[in-house]
Amino acid sequence: RKEVEQDPGPFNVPEGATVAFNCTYSNSASQSFFWYRQDCRKEPKLLMSVYSSGNEDGRFTAQLNRASQYISLLIRDSKLSDSATYLCVVTLYNFNKFYFGSGTKLNVKP
Amino acid sequence: SAVISQKPSRDICQRGTSLTIQCQVDSQVTMMFWYRQQPGQSLTLIATANQGSEATYESGFVIDKFPISRPNLTFSTLTVSNMSPEDSSIYLCSGLYRDSGYTFGSGTRLTVV
Repeated sequence: RKEVEQDPGPFNVPEGATVAFNCTYSNSASQSFFWYRQDCRKEPKLLMSVYSSGNEDGRFTAQLNRASQYISLLIRDSKLSDSATYLCVVTLYNFNKFYFGSGTKLNVKP
Repeated sequence: SAVISQKPSRDICQRGTSLTIQCQVDSQVTMMFWYRQQPGQSLTLIATANQGSEATYESGFVIDKFPISRPNLTFSTLTVSNMSPEDSSIYLCSGLYRDSGYTFGSGTRLTVV
């Protein structure tokens, strides 16, 4: 079983739409959670950390549900520039291994 | 913010040869890693680069095929040895920073012909 699982998509949405991605993790000892963004032919870059209380950064909201072992990313008012692959990342308590989901591809269309 | 310099950015190599990829970070990191990303796939951890000692390899990766060095805190190399077309991939160096988290180099796009 994979450590981290994501719906690969693609999610095709119009500009201005709200879109949500989920990611499930298998290890209940997982302690830190992140969303990364990867543009085509570029390296992944940190989008935001995910805190237990949930956190928001502009149009982006991340949530963590420890009981069900999933994290989510909500994007409001989608922009063309949001088109990318979004990677869910989970680490264990000792922080020396990062487990990446396979990524969810988002296409925002005019 | 943290910056990681990785080179070469791309290369086309003959099968049977070896390529060494260099990774330089601009400040001290707590840990350095090497990843592989095959087309359309997510990242797979190859190994953790340990300063002054042998790297810690993940299942499916061995030192003979992917020798790694990290002579000091801010520099590491990954060699892809005796290459075959199956080694064609993007290889990414990454570092874990205390303040800015997990940062990646820009990657090396390797094509083996």
